[in-house]
Order: sequence, then structure tokens, then C-alpha cells
Amino acid sequence: QQPVQSPQAVILREGEDAVINCSSSKALYSVHWYRQKHGEAPVFLMILLKGGEQKGHEKISASFNEKKQQSSLYLTASQLSYSGTYFCGTEIVLSSASKIIFGSGTRLSIRP
Amino acid sequence: GAGVSQSPRYKVAKRGQDVALRCDPISGHVSLFWYQQALGQGPEFLTYFQNEAQLDKSGLPSDRFFAERPEGSVSTLKIQRTQQEDSAVYLCASSLYPRQGNSPLHFGNGTRLTVT
Repeated sequence: QQPVQSPQAVILREGEDAVINCSSSKALYSVHWYRQKHGEAPVFLMILLKGGEQKGHEKISASFNEKKQQSSLYLTASQLSYSGTYFCGTEIVLSSASKIIFGSGTRLSIRP
Repeated sequence: GAGVSQSPRYKVAKRGQDVALRCDPISGHVSLFWYQQALGQGPEFLTYFQNEAQLDKSGLPSDRFFAERPEGSVSTLKIQRTQQEDSAVYLCASSLYPRQGNSPLHFGNGTRLTVT
């Protein structure tokens, strides 16, 4: 049930771009993306719904490919503040409600 | 409150002791989740509440783990006879709606449990 994220870790220089992928073996209803800095709580970035839409948050955007059951997070012109671990979470439906199952994360390090 | 509040922030327990971890979600949030996060890993689902109803407890590792949310607001995660493998950060998250498709999760800062 747990989505698979790749790569596990990325090291970038400030200003470079990165792509983080998230794939699921189950049909996706929605995909959540969160960023967690060391010792802190995960912070919400965005939700992608079925329909292949793309969303943006500052210079961070994401896409959702329902057919391929995957989502990708794009970080462009990375800033030092983007450092942290990125988690995707996939929505699993439970009758009248749903839960979010997270991947194991992608650690992003940005160097000046 | 302004955000999700968890207490205690840190807890050290001797093996075999019982512990209780508290989560105070954002007021009015219907959904409440407990996750367990080991070092360097993603949050692993433990259990889910819709108001006071525990709809999913499939992630609880053993019958030593018990969670409740009796009045649909504050929740407590109890671990009986703690073992070393229970050492982790326990995260609580709440969201406004029962379905998470349009409902971001708001996380607390977690309780770091160390079992010695």
C-alpha cells in the first residue's frame, strides 16, 4: 500500500532543479505532498486530484498522472530553504472517509 | 488552538512501563490520525478517527497499542508494556473533512518516545 518514492536522496547546488517521483500500485484518488525539516513537523505543500492536473506553490509544482498511478514534484531554481525531506502521501478510501499513507521520503540537500 | 498540540514533547520510559501520548487537534477538525515515524523513515499510519469513531486501526503494531478520542476532540495513544522497538516519534495530524482529497493534514510537533 505504501507509495514508492525516488530518488531516496538528492544533493543540489542553489539554483538547480530537481524532480521527485511518487508511484503507487493502487489506483490513486489524490496525492499529498509535504516537506519536513529536521526535528520539525511535516508541512503541507499541495494536494493533487485525479485528472492529471498540475499545481504550483512558489517555484514548486507537481503533476498527477492517474493512468500511470504516479505523481511528480518539481522544484525549480532551488533555494536553501527548500532543504528537507519530501513525502508524498496517497489517499486510501475507507467507506465514508479516507486515510493518507506516506512514502519513505526523499531527502533534499541544497548547497550554496 | 492555532495548531495541533501534542504532549509530552519527549518521553523516556523504561521497558515494560505504560505511556500515554496526548493530541489536541485543531478545533472543528473531523479527522484525526496517529502516525509512527522511525528515524529516517516516513510517517507510518497507525490509526484514524472520524470524530469519536475509530474507523481504521489496521496500523497499530500490536494489542499493546490503544487509541481513543472519546468526545471527538482530544485523542490519547496508549502503549502498554513498552518495548525498545516502540522508540520513535509519534505524530498526530488532523484535517477538516472525513475525505482527504481536499483536506490537508495539519501535523503536531510529535512526541519523541525513547524506551530504555
